[in-house]
Amino acid sequence: DGGITQSPKYLFRKEGQNVTLSCEQNLNHDAMYWYRQDPGQGLRLIYYSQIVNDFQKGDIAEGYSVSREKKESFPLTVTSAQKNPTAFYLCASSIEEGYGYTFGSGTRLTVV
Amino acid sequence: GEDVEQSLFLSVREGDSSVINCTYTDSSSTYLYWYKQEPGAGLQLLTYIFSNMDMKQDQRLTVLLNKKDKHLSLRIADTQTGDSAIYFCAERDDKIIFGKGTRLHILP
Repeated sequence: DGGITQSPKYLFRKEGQNVTLSCEQNLNHDAMYWYRQDPGQGLRLIYYSQIVNDFQKGDIAEGYSVSREKKESFPLTVTSAQKNPTAFYLCASSIEEGYGYTFGSGTRLTVV
Repeated sequence: GEDVEQSLFLSVREGDSSVINCTYTDSSSTYLYWYKQEPGAGLQLLTYIFSNMDMKQDQRLTVLLNKKDKHLSLRIADTQTGDSAIYFCAERDDKIIFGKGTRLHILP
Protein backbone atom coordinates (compact mmCIF):
# COMPACT_ATOMS: atom_id res chain seq x y z
CA ASP A 1 0.00 0.00 0.00
CA GLY A 2 1.20 3.49 -0.83
CA GLY A 3 1.62 5.94 1.98
CA ILE A 4 3.75 8.40 3.85
CA THR A 5 5.77 7.28 6.86
CA GLN A 6 7.17 9.46 9.60
CA SER A 7 9.65 8.25 12.16
CA PRO A 8 10.14 8.14 15.00
CA LYS A 9 6.68 8.64 16.52
CA TYR A 10 8.18 10.14 19.69
CA LEU A 11 11.51 11.92 19.97
CA PHE A 12 13.25 13.50 22.91
CA ARG A 13 15.97 16.09 22.48
CA LYS A 14 18.34 17.62 24.94
CA GLU A 15 18.89 21.36 24.91
CA GLY A 16 21.50 22.31 22.31
CA GLN A 17 21.18 19.17 20.20
CA ASN A 18 20.18 18.86 16.57
CA VAL A 19 17.67 16.15 15.72
CA THR A 20 16.42 14.87 12.38
CA LEU A 21 12.86 13.75 11.70
CA SER A 22 12.34 11.29 8.89
CA CYS A 23 9.61 11.46 6.24
CA GLU A 24 9.37 8.89 3.44
CA GLN A 25 6.64 8.45 0.83
CA ASN A 26 6.05 5.80 -1.84
CA LEU A 27 3.20 7.64 -3.56
CA ASN A 28 5.42 9.02 -6.32
CA HIS A 29 4.40 12.51 -5.23
CA ASP A 30 6.49 15.44 -6.39
CA ALA A 31 5.64 17.88 -3.59
CA MET A 32 6.39 17.41 0.10
CA TYR A 33 5.74 19.62 3.11
CA TRP A 34 6.62 19.97 6.78
CA TYR A 35 4.19 21.48 9.27
CA ARG A 36 4.43 22.22 12.93
CA GLN A 37 1.32 21.89 15.10
CA ASP A 38 0.93 23.52 18.50
CA PRO A 39 -2.30 23.44 20.55
CA GLY A 40 -4.74 26.11 19.36
CA GLN A 41 -2.38 27.26 16.59
CA GLY A 42 -3.38 24.96 13.78
CA LEU A 43 -0.76 23.98 11.21
CA ARG A 44 2.16 26.23 10.41
CA LEU A 45 4.26 25.58 7.31
CA ILE A 46 7.98 25.14 7.97
CA TYR A 47 9.41 24.12 4.57
CA TYR A 48 8.12 22.68 1.34
CA SER A 49 9.61 21.12 -1.74
CA GLN A 50 8.02 20.93 -5.17
CA ILE A 51 10.74 18.84 -6.77
CA VAL A 52 13.95 16.98 -5.99
CA ASN A 53 16.90 19.20 -5.04
CA ASP A 54 14.68 22.22 -4.52
CA PHE A 55 12.87 23.53 -1.45
CA GLN A 56 11.44 26.78 -0.13
CA LYS A 57 10.97 28.30 3.29
CA GLY A 58 7.50 28.39 4.74
CA ASP A 59 6.17 30.73 7.40
CA ILE A 60 8.35 29.54 10.32
CA ALA A 61 11.59 28.21 8.78
CA GLU A 62 13.98 29.76 11.32
CA GLY A 63 15.83 27.10 13.31
CA TYR A 64 14.96 24.31 10.84
CA SER A 65 16.67 22.84 7.80
CA VAL A 66 15.64 20.31 5.15
CA SER A 67 17.05 18.42 2.19
CA ARG A 68 15.42 16.78 -0.82
CA GLU A 69 18.02 14.51 -2.38
CA LYS A 70 15.48 11.85 -3.35
CA LYS A 71 11.89 12.12 -4.47
CA GLU A 72 10.75 9.77 -1.70
CA SER A 73 12.48 11.46 1.21
CA PHE A 74 12.22 14.89 2.85
CA PRO A 75 13.98 14.87 6.25
CA LEU A 76 13.62 17.80 8.64
CA THR A 77 16.42 18.81 11.01
CA VAL A 78 15.48 20.77 14.10
CA THR A 79 18.60 22.69 15.01
CA SER A 80 19.72 24.09 18.34
CA ALA A 81 18.79 27.52 16.97
CA GLN A 82 15.09 26.62 17.27
CA LYS A 83 14.24 28.08 20.65
CA ASN A 84 10.96 26.32 21.28
CA PRO A 85 11.04 23.02 19.37
CA THR A 86 8.59 21.03 21.51
CA ALA A 87 5.66 20.37 19.15
CA PHE A 88 3.93 17.83 16.93
CA TYR A 89 5.50 17.70 13.46
CA LEU A 90 3.55 16.61 10.42
CA CYS A 91 4.87 15.71 7.00
CA ALA A 92 2.64 15.71 3.93
CA SER A 93 2.93 15.06 0.22
CA SER A 94 0.90 15.76 -2.90
CA ILE A 95 1.07 14.99 -6.61
CA GLU A 96 1.96 18.61 -7.21
CA GLU A 97 1.84 21.75 -5.17
CA GLY A 98 -1.65 22.54 -3.96
CA TYR A 99 -3.40 19.27 -4.73
CA GLY A 100 -4.96 17.42 -1.79
CA TYR A 101 -2.33 16.41 0.72
CA THR A 102 -1.63 13.00 2.19
CA PHE A 103 -0.30 13.28 5.73
CA GLY A 104 1.99 11.11 7.78
CA SER A 105 1.07 10.12 11.33
CA GLY A 106 3.36 12.72 12.89
CA THR A 107 6.36 12.92 15.21
CA ARG A 108 6.02 14.38 18.67
CA LEU A 109 9.25 16.11 19.65
CA THR A 110 9.91 16.99 23.27
CA VAL A 111 12.89 18.92 24.60
CA VAL A 112 14.12 17.57 27.93
CA GLY B 1 -3.30 37.67 2.78
CA GLU B 2 -5.13 34.40 2.56
CA ASP B 3 -6.87 33.29 5.73
CA VAL B 4 -9.21 30.54 6.84
CA GLU B 5 -11.27 31.03 9.99
CA GLN B 6 -13.22 28.49 12.01
CA SER B 7 -14.46 28.30 15.57
CA LEU B 8 -12.22 26.33 17.92
CA PHE B 9 -14.77 24.18 19.74
CA LEU B 10 -18.13 22.52 19.13
CA SER B 11 -20.09 20.24 21.47
CA VAL B 12 -22.84 18.03 20.09
CA ARG B 13 -25.01 15.35 21.63
CA GLU B 14 -24.56 11.82 20.27
CA GLY B 15 -27.10 11.15 17.53
CA ASP B 16 -27.58 14.83 16.67
CA SER B 17 -26.15 16.55 13.60
CA SER B 18 -22.90 18.48 13.85
CA VAL B 19 -22.34 21.55 11.72
CA ILE B 20 -18.83 22.93 11.51
CA ASN B 21 -18.46 26.30 9.81
CA CYS B 22 -15.56 27.95 8.06
CA THR B 23 -14.92 31.22 6.24
CA TYR B 24 -12.10 31.90 3.82
CA THR B 25 -10.77 34.98 2.10
CA ASP B 26 -9.30 33.88 -1.22
CA SER B 27 -12.00 34.18 -3.87
CA SER B 28 -9.77 32.41 -6.41
CA SER B 29 -9.73 29.18 -4.35
CA THR B 30 -10.34 26.23 -6.64
CA TYR B 31 -10.78 23.46 -4.09
CA LEU B 32 -11.95 23.50 -0.50
CA TYR B 33 -11.24 20.63 1.86
CA TRP B 34 -12.25 19.14 5.15
CA TYR B 35 -9.64 17.14 7.04
CA LYS B 36 -10.12 15.12 10.24
CA GLN B 37 -7.43 14.65 12.90
CA GLU B 38 -7.83 12.08 15.65
CA PRO B 39 -5.69 12.38 18.81
CA GLY B 40 -1.99 11.83 18.20
CA ALA B 41 -2.47 11.16 14.49
CA GLY B 42 -1.96 12.93 11.19
CA LEU B 43 -4.69 14.58 9.15
CA GLN B 44 -7.01 12.49 7.04
CA LEU B 45 -8.79 13.95 4.04
CA LEU B 46 -12.53 13.61 4.69
CA THR B 47 -13.99 15.29 1.65
CA TYR B 48 -13.45 18.15 -0.76
CA ILE B 49 -15.56 20.33 -2.99
CA PHE B 50 -14.78 22.15 -6.21
CA SER B 51 -15.39 25.87 -6.11
CA ASN B 52 -18.02 25.62 -8.86
CA MET B 53 -20.21 23.33 -6.73
CA ASP B 54 -22.76 24.32 -4.07
CA MET B 55 -23.12 21.04 -2.27
CA LYS B 56 -21.54 17.63 -2.00
CA GLN B 57 -22.93 14.68 -0.08
CA ASP B 58 -21.01 11.58 0.94
CA GLN B 59 -22.85 9.21 3.27
CA ARG B 60 -23.19 11.06 6.61
CA LEU B 61 -21.20 14.06 5.40
CA THR B 62 -22.69 17.06 3.61
CA VAL B 63 -20.54 19.97 2.47
CA LEU B 64 -22.19 23.28 1.62
CA LEU B 65 -20.36 26.06 -0.18
CA ASN B 66 -21.58 29.65 -0.39
CA LYS B 67 -19.05 31.18 -2.72
CA LYS B 68 -20.58 34.65 -2.54
CA ASP B 69 -20.09 34.78 1.24
CA LYS B 70 -16.92 32.62 1.14
CA HIS B 71 -18.52 30.27 3.65
CA LEU B 72 -18.02 26.52 3.84
CA SER B 73 -19.75 24.12 6.19
CA LEU B 74 -19.49 20.45 7.06
CA ARG B 75 -22.55 18.68 8.38
CA ILE B 76 -22.13 15.28 10.05
CA ALA B 77 -25.44 13.49 10.41
CA ASP B 78 -26.13 11.14 13.33
CA THR B 79 -22.93 12.12 15.14
CA GLN B 80 -21.15 9.19 16.79
CA THR B 81 -18.43 9.00 19.45
CA GLY B 82 -15.97 8.07 16.71
CA ASP B 83 -16.52 11.48 15.15
CA SER B 84 -14.78 13.11 18.11
CA ALA B 85 -11.74 14.79 16.52
CA ILE B 86 -10.36 18.08 15.26
CA TYR B 87 -11.75 19.13 11.88
CA PHE B 88 -9.70 21.38 9.64
CA CYS B 89 -11.11 23.47 6.85
CA ALA B 90 -8.64 24.29 4.06
CA GLU B 91 -8.65 26.19 0.80
CA ARG B 92 -6.41 25.81 -2.24
CA ASP B 93 -5.22 28.35 -4.71
CA ASP B 94 -1.57 27.58 -5.45
CA LYS B 95 -1.01 26.27 -1.92
CA ILE B 96 -3.31 24.77 0.67
CA ILE B 97 -4.11 27.10 3.57
CA PHE B 98 -5.48 25.46 6.71
CA GLY B 99 -7.74 26.87 9.39
CA LYS B 100 -6.83 26.34 13.04
CA GLY B 101 -9.24 23.45 13.43
CA THR B 102 -12.53 22.88 15.26
CA ARG B 103 -12.46 20.40 18.11
CA LEU B 104 -15.69 18.39 18.04
CA HIS B 105 -16.74 17.03 21.44
CA ILE B 106 -19.51 14.45 21.62
CA LEU B 107 -21.83 14.53 24.62
CA PRO B 108 -23.47 11.26 25.74
